[in-house]
Amino acid sequence: AQTVTQSQPEMSVQEAETVTLSCTYDTSESDYYLFWYKQPPSRQMILVIRQEAYKQQNATENRFSVNFQKAAKSFSLKISDSQLGDAAMYFCAYQNNDMRFGAGTRLTVKP
Amino acid sequence: KAGVTQTPRYLIKTRGQQVTLSCSPISGHRSVSWYQQTPGQGLQFLFEYFSETQRNKGNFPGRFSGRQFSNSRSEMNVSTLELGDSALYLCASSTLPGQQETQYFGPGTRLLVL
Repeated sequence: AQTVTQSQPEMSVQEAETVTLSCTYDTSESDYYLFWYKQPPSRQMILVIRQEAYKQQNATENRFSVNFQKAAKSFSLKISDSQLGDAAMYFCAYQNNDMRFGAGTRLTVKP
Repeated sequence: KAGVTQTPRYLIKTRGQQVTLSCSPISGHRSVSWYQQTPGQGLQFLFEYFSETQRNKGNFPGRFSGRQFSNSRSEMNVSTLELGDSALYLCASSTLPGQQETQYFGPGTRLLVL
C-alpha cells in the first residue's frame, strides 16, 4: 500500500522568509502524481502545486516550488517570501488509483 | 466556473440514524471522490464515482455507500451512525478519473454524531 509521510507536524516561518515542508512516500509504482494541498481554517482544500512523476523538472507556481527526488521518494514544498495568508495546514498527497494523504503540517507565519 | 458545492454544510445526528450528503461537481467534471477527515485518522479515501459507476472504494464498512447521478452529482449515505463517524466529509471532482487528473475540493460537510 502506498503511504505518505509528513514528518513535521508543525512549522513556523517569519513573514517574507522561506520555509520548506517535507514529504516522503512509499510506492512500487513508477507512474503517479504528487500534490500539495493547503487547508486554511475555512477547511476548504486548495490545490497548491502538482508534479507528474515522469517529469524530472520540478514544478513551480509563483512563490511555491517543489523539490522532487523520485529515487528517494521525496517531495518537499518550498514557500518563498512567506505571507500571512500562507498560514494553513499543508497536505502532501500521492495519486495513483486513488489519492492518499499525509498527516499534514501546520504552518504558522509570524509577522 | 462555480466550484464544487456540498450540502448541507453542517449536520447533527444521533447514533443509529442515517445521513445523506450531497456533492455537485464543477461543471463538466464527471468524476467525484469522497473523503473523510478526522483528527485521529486524517484524510481517508472513501470512494470514487465516474459515469454513475463506483470505480474505487476505500477501506470503510458497508454502512458507507454512495451513488452518482446522470448529471454527475453524487450522494453519499451513512447508515446506522456511530459516534466515530463524526468528521468532515470532503467531496472532490475532476474531469475524468485517473491519476493524471487534478481533484478540486468542495468546502466539506461537517457531521456531528451525538
